[in-house]
Amino acid sequence: EAQVTQNPRYLITVTGKKLTVTCSQNMNHEYMSWYRQDPGLGLRQIYYSMNVEVTDKGDVPEGYKVSRKEKRNFPLILESPSPNQTSLYFCASSLRGSESNQPQHFGDGTRLSIL
Amino acid sequence: AQSVTQLGSHVSVSEGALVLLRCNYSSSVPPYLFWYVQYPNQGLQLLLKYTTGATLVKGINGFEAEFKKSETSFHLTKPSAHMSDAAEYFCAVSESDSWGKLQFGAGTQVVVTP
Repeated sequence: EAQVTQNPRYLITVTGKKLTVTCSQNMNHEYMSWYRQDPGLGLRQIYYSMNVEVTDKGDVPEGYKVSRKEKRNFPLILESPSPNQTSLYFCASSLRGSESNQPQHFGDGTRLSIL
Repeated sequence: AQSVTQLGSHVSVSEGALVLLRCNYSSSVPPYLFWYVQYPNQGLQLLLKYTTGATLVKGINGFEAEFKKSETSFHLTKPSAHMSDAAEYFCAVSESDSWGKLQFGAGTQVVVTP
């Protein structure tokens, strides 16, 4: 089954304690993205990756890091989480647009609470 | 730069009535436009997309949207609402056919009343 898998689904942690949210896709997609979803703001892109070792900032990259060492994985790293990073996070993946009927496949989300 | 505006953060519609969700965009190039639906505690699911060609696009679950370049709009409609349509709907735009960078609207929460 084609899917994007995020872990954990829920996490409550404290300010300053480094955390990593993993994302893995099994569709051999080149593109992967991280979004955060906040009420009234929709989804805002944090980082995206066009292929292995190729990443770029989205609209709200401050306080986040990513890496793309393998095609299937795209972890999101919060080196020193702060309460304003409390949010619902989504990972997504896609083929190049012209090669796909599905622009982006989304994971089920990770709800982070930073106390 | 691209941006998306969804008019109305909440819409209430009676079962069987027309669903109309409004989306306006700005883009410096011909855009690619999308509507996604999000059910509670789930990720986003693509309803439909406009790339090129026919401006009236049909999607899943009876939804359709019309691309109107002169109005920079991409409104979503469904002739007859069903209780299962209760969800949050997002309009999104991309200026590139890579589709790796989507700009989303703020979302519209749809409530369906019996």
